[in-house]
Amino acid sequence: DADVTQTPRNRITKTGKRIMLECSQTKGHDRMYWYRQDPGLGLRLIYYSFDVKDINKGEISDGYSVSRQAQAKFSLSLESAIPNQTALYFCATSDHPGTGTLLSTDTQYFGPGTRLTVL
Amino acid sequence: DQQVKQNSPSLSVQEGRISILNCDYTNSMFDYFLWYKKYPAEGPTFLISISSIKDKNEDGRFTVFLNKSAKHLSLHIVPSQPGDSAVYFCAASADSGGSNYKLTFGKGTLLTVNP
Repeated sequence: DADVTQTPRNRITKTGKRIMLECSQTKGHDRMYWYRQDPGLGLRLIYYSFDVKDINKGEISDGYSVSRQAQAKFSLSLESAIPNQTALYFCATSDHPGTGTLLSTDTQYFGPGTRLTVL
Repeated sequence: DQQVKQNSPSLSVQEGRISILNCDYTNSMFDYFLWYKKYPAEGPTFLISISSIKDKNEDGRFTVFLNKSAKHLSLHIVPSQPGDSAVYFCAASADSGGSNYKLTFGKGTLLTVNP
């Protein structure tokens, strides 16, 4: 079974609709992230969470909200979808770096992605 | 302002030859660098990383080189295999009091390895 799962894998919706993307992980990591990928733009951070109920904005948070209901779950919502939110969305997790540990604990592990199309 | 740059959108190499993917960065605070590989319809998968205290890290066919003075890193794949065909993302992070949470990604390079 995959360590990081995302649902749905594909979604087509209309402008103005509310959409929720779900992410679950079995890695036991504290930290979770939401990214979007657009052609030619790489991956950009939307929101991240270091622990349950901890929420932080990334570089492109406008138009999005998140909820961290449990350590293993992190959901992304589009309150009123618009066409320029059409993109690939990825969830990722990472471990909490311990005191004195090397930076390798910052490695992030990604889910398979959700392809969202807003018409 | 793009802090991590992958200036080659694509690269094509012959099977068995070396693939060299390049990445430049502008933020001198970056101290940890990673390479991710992404196949179509899948999420990025971690490939290899390097800390700024090193200039080389090797893992099987994959070697990452870091030149801090030039703010440049490269990924070498030797020998290249058709299964290596994918998009490769370079990423970097900066120490924030021990909370390296934010990865800054390049736009990616599409590697095609021809049989």
